[in-house]
Amino acid sequence: NAGVTQTPKFRVLKTGQSMTLLCAQDMNHEYMYWYRQDPGMGLRLIHYSVGEGTTAKGEVPDGYNVSRLKKQNFLLGLESAAPSQTSVYFCASTIAGGYYEQYFGPGTRLTVT
Amino acid sequence: QQQVKQSPQSLIVQKGGISIINCAYENTAFDYFPWYQQFPGKGPALLIAIRPDVSEKKEGRFTISFNKSAKQFSLHIMDSQPGDSATYFCAASGSVTALIFGKGTTLSVSS
Repeated sequence: NAGVTQTPKFRVLKTGQSMTLLCAQDMNHEYMYWYRQDPGMGLRLIHYSVGEGTTAKGEVPDGYNVSRLKKQNFLLGLESAAPSQTSVYFCASTIAGGYYEQYFGPGTRLTVT
Repeated sequence: QQQVKQSPQSLIVQKGGISIINCAYENTAFDYFPWYQQFPGKGPALLIAIRPDVSEKKEGRFTISFNKSAKQFSLHIMDSQPGDSATYFCAASGSVTALIFGKGTTLSVSS
């Protein structure tokens, strides 16, 4: 099992450009999450999904959109990138229920200039 | 606002010493308290977790102590080793979905 994979690993964008980050998991998990990690800020939840076709906002959703068209994939989109979105983005997944281990991907380092 | 406050921000411990990281929460609806460990360039990974029906949980050199009345919990790393050098995050959850993370503690164990 590959676990949770993220594509790409690194990306540099110019302000105003758009991009999509892909998260894939092969553990048949129901729940998937997108977090951003910034120095001194910990991990902050952007959006999450409790099942195929469903998404919900987290703590810091502005400027991001998500889609969960397939159970194994969770996409994070930036429509018009801003320097404030420079961060490391982590995807995670877990089984339904909420009190179980979240499995994290290796992260995507995004720089917006 | 739901928060989990974590301290200290950074910690330096001698090899063989005890590392202690503390967290405090506000929302009494939280009922799941995990600790995650993150090495540089990697995603966080679950280290140990506790539910509030017990006051302590131990797994090897790692122990969570939980004080429900004070709304505090802590991670103790006994016999700290250089391989334990990492960033540690406490977290809390009361819903079936999201974890609320602390801001992290960077631990350095000197040999």
